[in-house]
Amino acid sequence: EPEVTQTPSHQVTQMGQEVILRCVPISNHLYFYWYRQILGQKVEFLVSFYNNEISEKSEIFDDQFSVERPDGSNFTLKIRSTKLEDSAMYFCASSEVRAAYEQYFGPGTRLTVT
Amino acid sequence: AQSVTQLDSQVPVFEEAPVELRCNYSSSVSVYLFWYVQYPNQGLQLLLKYLSGSTLVKGINGFEAEFNKSQTSFHLRKPSVHISDTAEYFCAVKRNSGNTPLVFGKGTRLSVIA
Repeated sequence: EPEVTQTPSHQVTQMGQEVILRCVPISNHLYFYWYRQILGQKVEFLVSFYNNEISEKSEIFDDQFSVERPDGSNFTLKIRSTKLEDSAMYFCASSEVRAAYEQYFGPGTRLTVT
Repeated sequence: AQSVTQLDSQVPVFEEAPVELRCNYSSSVSVYLFWYVQYPNQGLQLLLKYLSGSTLVKGINGFEAEFNKSQTSFHLRKPSVHISDTAEYFCAVKRNSGNTPLVFGKGTRLSVIA
């Protein structure tokens, strides 16, 4: 069964450093998402992406964040200058255009900012 | 805007006993409803969804949920739980117009006791 994959599974970085989290969505999906889950809190939407542009973004997704689909398979989330409060589990998800409602999630990347 | 309230943060239950995890939502527009499960150190897996039609929906692993529009609830039930059901359960909603983000509740940790 096709699945969303994410790398790395765990990333440790120092405050102020740039990080790139990578995701490979399911191959025939065209909508992509990033969510995050701070430890002990709810899963929160960051951004959705379709046709090489952002469809929707939350208040959390400020200028420190950016997304990109650099090639036909990867979908990346970049945090330019990490803060301690960026420490969280980051989930990538994808969905089909036809279905447009069922989002399939990857296993997540745990980001630890020290 | 949509919001989701999961009334119980933790639910301990003995093996083979029934369980109900409660979820209430608020929305000014029509929504789809979902339950996701997160096993330890894993990503989010879709348990079941309500889109339209019959208000009782069945999902994987013997779970079912009932949509109650008047009470704006979507409670998750299982008649007999197993140790392997120990996990975090998240209720989520999304607007049913287009490809819109999921809004999650805070989650309920189900602990099944032998």
